[in-house]
Amino acid sequence: AQRVTQPEKLLSVFKGAPVELKCNYSYSGSPELFWYVQYSRQRLQLLLRHISRESIKGFTADLNKGETSFHLKKPFAQEEDSAMYYCALIMDSSYKLIFGSGTRLLVRP
Amino acid sequence: EAQVTQNPRYLITVTGKKLTVTCSQNMNHEYMSWYRQDPGLGLRQIYYSMNVEVTDKGDVPEGYKVSRKEKRNFPLILESPSPNQTSLYFCASSRWGEGYFYGYTFGSGTRLTVV
Repeated sequence: AQRVTQPEKLLSVFKGAPVELKCNYSYSGSPELFWYVQYSRQRLQLLLRHISRESIKGFTADLNKGETSFHLKKPFAQEEDSAMYYCALIMDSSYKLIFGSGTRLLVRP
Repeated sequence: EAQVTQNPRYLITVTGKKLTVTCSQNMNHEYMSWYRQDPGLGLRQIYYSMNVEVTDKGDVPEGYKVSRKEKRNFPLILESPSPNQTSLYFCASSRWGEGYFYGYTFGSGTRLTVV
């Protein structure tokens, strides 16, 4: 079965420190991967999609098919980055978004 | 402004009293979906729709119904709500384009409490 695993429930870093939020997936086809962010009491917002290889708010993510990973990185964390982050997968030619369980990022001053 | 609009934002109801949560999008998206978010369980898909009059079950469809009579609307119906349906519900919409999936745009959520 297709799965998305985010091994860390909580990641706490100090402001200015590098951040890496881990995401591993299991899917034998060609996945499309996304990162969503949910700030406190707000809607989920699309942060990144691997197909567009963009950098949003300083975050980047590279798809590593060999390791089946799509880790989210930022070189210098800011306090406003504190939020829940969800990795998600869509199977090729599908529309069903499968979410990981989420990682709460806490950036301390 | 391109958006997904859900109503109501908050709802407290009693067991067995039918309710509908509305969802509307103004982006002409083909795909729409409902998710529920529960602590420790993350986001789980309830139902989805590929287009008008085309709907199918997600991972947790029991106790829910949906309809897609118009492209923009995708209401979630709880015929006989029970306390285990207390949750935060999100509607989302999206489309395919230029060979890839754009990723869902989510509504603001509906916090439902069933007592």
